[in-house]
Amino acid sequence: QKEVEQDPGPLSVPEGAIVSLNCTYSNSAFQYFMWYRQYSRKGPELLMYTYSSGNKEDGRFTAQVDKSSKYISLFIRDSQPSDSATYLCALFSGGYNKLIFGAGTRLAVHP
Amino acid sequence: EPEVTQTPSHQVTQMGQEVILRCVPISNHLYFYWYRQILGQKVEFLVSFYNNEISEKSEIFDDQFSVERPDGSNFTLKIRSTKLEDSAMYFCASSATGEAFFGQGTRLTVV
Repeated sequence: QKEVEQDPGPLSVPEGAIVSLNCTYSNSAFQYFMWYRQYSRKGPELLMYTYSSGNKEDGRFTAQVDKSSKYISLFIRDSQPSDSATYLCALFSGGYNKLIFGAGTRLAVHP
Repeated sequence: EPEVTQTPSHQVTQMGQEVILRCVPISNHLYFYWYRQILGQKVEFLVSFYNNEISEKSEIFDDQFSVERPDGSNFTLKIRSTKLEDSAMYFCASSATGEAFFGQGTRLTVV
């Protein structure tokens, strides 16, 4: 079983739609949960960071963590064409001192 | 805003040559990482570094790879004898408390 599972998509939505991106994980040792956005041939850009179950909101982005189900989500409201990118979930365990990435979901928001 | 900087942005090298990829992490961060991403594939962990020593490394990080923090600010990744399959984007990241910030990467092309 992979440590982190993420559907690679692609996901295509119209402008203004609510986007839901998800990851599941298998190791309960993961303590910190992050979402990154990556444009083609660029470095991952940190969008959201959380370490507890529940929701965290930042502008149009909401990160949701359910540790009991080992399930994390990123919601994007009022999606824009500029949101078109690959979205990566990433999990960190201090015990292992490494960030493990999902495969990334490619999102296209069309006008 | 503080950022992780990487040089060079693109390096072309002949197979068998040594390359050194350079990174300047965010100044008050204590944890440093190297990741790589082969074109079209996921971001893969290579190595983490803390307190002047390697704290975790992946199977990819074999004897051909080494890391150093030569002067307290730079963080380098050396590949001793490059192979064609080392062609990839290499990302440096640094962290203070769990969330990691990435540089824009070095695109390494081995010919």
